[in-house]
Amino acid sequence: EAQVTQNPRYLITVTGKKLTVTCSQNMNHEYMSWYRQDPGLGLRQIYYSMNVEVTDKGDVPEGYKVSRKEKRNFPLILESPSPNQTSLYFCASSLSRLRANEQFFGPGTRLTVL
Amino acid sequence: AQSVTQLDSQVPVFEEAPVELRCNYSSSVSVYLFWYVQYPNQGLQLLLKYLSGSTLVKGINGFEAEFNKSQTSFHLRKPSVHISDTAEYFCAVSPPDRGSTLGRLYFGRGTQLTVWP
Repeated sequence: EAQVTQNPRYLITVTGKKLTVTCSQNMNHEYMSWYRQDPGLGLRQIYYSMNVEVTDKGDVPEGYKVSRKEKRNFPLILESPSPNQTSLYFCASSLSRLRANEQFFGPGTRLTVL
Repeated sequence: AQSVTQLDSQVPVFEEAPVELRCNYSSSVSVYLFWYVQYPNQGLQLLLKYLSGSTLVKGINGFEAEFNKSQTSFHLRKPSVHISDTAEYFCAVSPPDRGSTLGRLYFGRGTQLTVWP
């Protein structure tokens, strides 16, 4: 089944404790991105990647890192999480960066930083 | 950055009633337009998209949307809703592929549709 998977689905952590949220897709998609969803703000893009070893900042990149060493994986790293990073995070992928392509979303990771 | 405005944050309706969820965008150039739906505790999935051609676009689950260039709107409609349509709906805009907007997708803040029996 074609899908985007994220792990973990739920995470409660404390300020300053490094964490990684994994994202993997099995559709051989080139383009992957991370969004955060906050009430009343919709989805905002954190980082995106057009292909292996090619990443760039979205609208809200502060406090986050990403890497794209393999085509299928695009982990999101929070080196020193803070409470304002408490949010619902979505990974998405699409065939290429062409704007017509549908983005496929993972099920989301709900992160709470205490 | 592109601006996408969803005019209603909450839309309550009764089952079998028609519904319209409004979306306006700000752009003087051609954009691609999307509606995504998010069911409770799930990721987003594509309902429909407008790329070019006919301004009336049909999507899954009986939804349709009409692109109006002069009013820069892309409202979503369904003639008769079901309880299972209860979800959050997001309008999104993809600007022309150039520079910093390459491959980007900009979302509105979402409209929560609640269908009551």
